[in-house]
Amino acid sequence: EAGVTQSPTHLIKTRGQQATLRCSPISGHTSVYWYQQALGLGLQFLLWYDEGEERNRGNFPPRFSGRQFPNYSSELNVNALELEDSALYLCASSWVTENIQYFGAGTRLSVL
Amino acid sequence: GEDVEQSLFLSVREGDSSVINCTYTDSSSTYLYWYKQEPGAGLQLLTYIFSNMDMKQDQRLTVLLNKKDKHLSLRIADTQTGDSAIYFCAEREDTDKLIFGTGTRLQVFP
Repeated sequence: EAGVTQSPTHLIKTRGQQATLRCSPISGHTSVYWYQQALGLGLQFLLWYDEGEERNRGNFPPRFSGRQFPNYSSELNVNALELEDSALYLCASSWVTENIQYFGAGTRLSVL
Repeated sequence: GEDVEQSLFLSVREGDSSVINCTYTDSSSTYLYWYKQEPGAGLQLLTYIFSNMDMKQDQRLTVLLNKKDKHLSLRIADTQTGDSAIYFCAEREDTDKLIFGTGTRLQVFP
């Protein structure tokens, strides 16, 4: 069974550009979570989607947004990129009733 | 507020036991987790414990939970060089998000 897959593996952008990161959950999982792992800041919760709806949001500005598609895959969009957005972005999925989040390998975003 | 704390580094000799400690603050946490992160990789779930349990053992891994002191530990028996990684503890909030600790870098030397 395939795990959580994220694409691209690496993404290089310049300040002010937009980045789109993608995540495919484990088959059968309906919840998708996004986390940011920035140097010196640790792992921080960004967004939670379930059944196509945003259920919870972390302490991030509105330029961080996303969506979940009918097939439960998800996109994270970061607008007006800033240097401090450089980080590893991790996606996780779960059954909403299982209480266990399984993570993908992440997308490393570098903002120059 | 929510805060999960871990020591930053641990160095052990191959074959010895490793004990990684974690303290958390949210007494309402229902599940607590241990994840492993190898260089350049995502998070691998190692084990988890429900808050009404004191201990859980899974092969070389033993998790101890002291709810009174809000203290969680992960013991790795017979530590191997392949165990070298960063270990994160995490607590689950009611809203489903995970709150992670700062991570403990485990270095195993021959």
